[in-house]
Amino acid sequence: AQSVAQPEDQVNVAEGNPLTVKCTYSVSGNPYLFWYVQYPNRGLQFLLKYITGDNLVKGSYGFEAEFNKSQTSFHLKKPSALVSDSALYFCAVRDIGSNYQLIWGAGTKLIIKP
Amino acid sequence: EPEVTQTPSHQVTQMGQEVILRCVPISNHLYFYWYRQILGQKVEFLVSFYNNEISEKSEIFDDQFSVERPDGSNFTLKIRSTKLEDSAMYFCASMDQRGGNTDTQYFGPGTRLTVL
Repeated sequence: AQSVAQPEDQVNVAEGNPLTVKCTYSVSGNPYLFWYVQYPNRGLQFLLKYITGDNLVKGSYGFEAEFNKSQTSFHLKKPSALVSDSALYFCAVRDIGSNYQLIWGAGTKLIIKP
Repeated sequence: EPEVTQTPSHQVTQMGQEVILRCVPISNHLYFYWYRQILGQKVEFLVSFYNNEISEKSEIFDDQFSVERPDGSNFTLKIRSTKLEDSAMYFCASMDQRGGNTDTQYFGPGTRLTVL
């Protein structure tokens, strides 16, 4: 069965420092991977996706993610964190053989301290 | 920028009552979804809808649930007789299967359902 793991419940980073939010996946076949962000009392906003091509994917708000097939990882990164990046981040993988529904990680709370 | 909208933002109901959660997907999108997120738990897939019919549903989506696209814009989720465990945030999503936006689902802000 396909699955996504986000090993950290919470990540704390000082403003201006680089941030990484980890995601690993287990799929059969080629993975279609996504990152979404959820701000308080808001919906899930699409950040970026990996379908094929370059392993480094750039997305919204300066975020990027690196697809690593050998490590089955898709970590979310940003070179310099902002306080406004504080939110809940979800990694997801598209279910194989389906109508594109997503299988979700548990989410990681990112806290950026001034 | 077009976005998915959902109403109401918060619905409180008594156990056993019927509720209808409403969604307006992005215009011209072809695939529609409902997900839910119980407080503190993962987001879970409920159902996908394409070409005016359910294309796939999860085990959660039992006979108490139904979906409808009554007109060209709305997409609704009905829970026939709510249970306490239906309390969750319900998200609607839509996807365009054309061009560069293939495979990206865009989500609404959610409806928080509280069953008392």
